[in-house]
Amino acid sequence: QQQVKQSPQSLIVQKGGISIINCAYENTAFDYFPWYQQFPGKGPALLIAIRPDVSEKKEGRFTISFNKSAKQFSLHIMDSQPGDSATYFCAASTLLSNTGKLIFGQGTTLQVKP
Amino acid sequence: NAGVTQTPKFRILKIGQSMTLQCTQDMNHNYMYWYRQDPGMGLKLIYYSVGAGITDKGEVPNGYNVSRSTTEDFPLRLELAAPSQTSVYFCASSYERGRGEQYFGPGTRLTVT
Repeated sequence: QQQVKQSPQSLIVQKGGISIINCAYENTAFDYFPWYQQFPGKGPALLIAIRPDVSEKKEGRFTISFNKSAKQFSLHIMDSQPGDSATYFCAASTLLSNTGKLIFGQGTTLQVKP
Repeated sequence: NAGVTQTPKFRILKIGQSMTLQCTQDMNHNYMYWYRQDPGMGLKLIYYSVGAGITDKGEVPNGYNVSRSTTEDFPLRLELAAPSQTSVYFCASSYERGRGEQYFGPGTRLTVT
């Protein structure tokens, strides 16, 4: 019940295309769903996050879509650029837990071809 | 603000050796975490701490130990290193509960041969 399942494992997109990464969870107590971006040799960094009281959140070219009933959320990268090539992790957490723990998906390696 | 710093960046250990991975944060965060990252496996939580003097096990604690004597430092100790501990290790910190975002260090790449 603590798992977050992420797909696909890897993704190749042409420059200007749309990249879509999907995640699914089981634990209905989760109430915070962040996406982290990791460049080679670096630590992950928060990209965008959503709470379940909204179905979509957009920041620039990055959008999270959230489907509470299906227990799924996805990251859409519009107009994908070579600089977006990185590994993306979805995660889930219960914000008011006394640990702050994040449960991470398996990661998706995105390559954007020029 | 240096954020979260980790040392060393790289290390090669022989089987059976021990070492300590250092982690320091200067953001006055109470919560700190140690993860390991293996290809295709995501980030697995090893240990975490919700404040100085308080630590607890994560998903994969076997073979590791931690201590938290100050707010700033959260070292991870590997005793009797095994090849299965070859991985990239990340330390992270966050504000108290309710804020969500974790700030990650640059990682330590450890090879056990």
